Amino acid sequence: GAVVSQHPSWVICKSGTSVKIECRSLDFQATTMFWYRQFPKQSLMLMATSNEGSKATYEQGVEKDKFLINHASLTLSTLTVTSAHPEDSSFYICSAHNTGTVRTPNYGYTFGSGTRLTVV
Amino acid sequence: KNEVEQSPQNLTAQEGEFITINCSYSVGISALHWLQQHPGGGIVSLFMLSSGKKKHGRLIATINIQEKHSSLHITASHPRDSAVYICAVNAYNTDKLIFGTGTRLQVFP
Repeated sequence: GAVVSQHPSWVICKSGTSVKIECRSLDFQATTMFWYRQFPKQSLMLMATSNEGSKATYEQGVEKDKFLINHASLTLSTLTVTSAHPEDSSFYICSAHNTGTVRTPNYGYTFGSGTRLTVV
Repeated sequence: KNEVEQSPQNLTAQEGEFITINCSYSVGISALHWLQQHPGGGIVSLFMLSSGKKKHGRLIATINIQEKHSSLHITASHPRDSAVYICAVNAYNTDKLIFGTGTRLQVFP
């Protein structure tokens, strides 16, 4: 089945540093990747949608200069949290959207395993 | 009011019990998804439905498009089923998912 590899699974960093999170689709091409943030015991909050070869679309309230998204190839999307602060500590998870439509057999969403970021 | 509502929010069960989680939505959709999030955070897609019913092992998902309602059933529940179950929908003409708040299930031996 479709697999999305997300790294790192956890990271601790100092305030002011930047952290890069990678999501890679291993056996399919993902033209669209979604990046989510999740606070404890809450649902997923969409941060941005990235499309291969174009600029990401950010949701309202998400700072695009702070959360840099790059989707340079059909199998790799990255999220960089720049100048991290303790309030950025959260669980970040990506989801790759298989190309096609609802009627395409492989259509669907595959999630990465998530990255737990702690900023100290 | 959320566009996707789930009930119950929390559910505890004894091993072997039959479990039902409900999802209601208020928007027109092209598909509905049931997801499972394990304590470690990873999310697995269980079902994608646009009509009718699907079964995979001990899991059954149904959807009633007219009533805008879906149910996830777990037969012969097991402690390893303990997780958060999330209902999510694709609204028409969008790839974005709208998520319910999740149902936290704990199955005790």
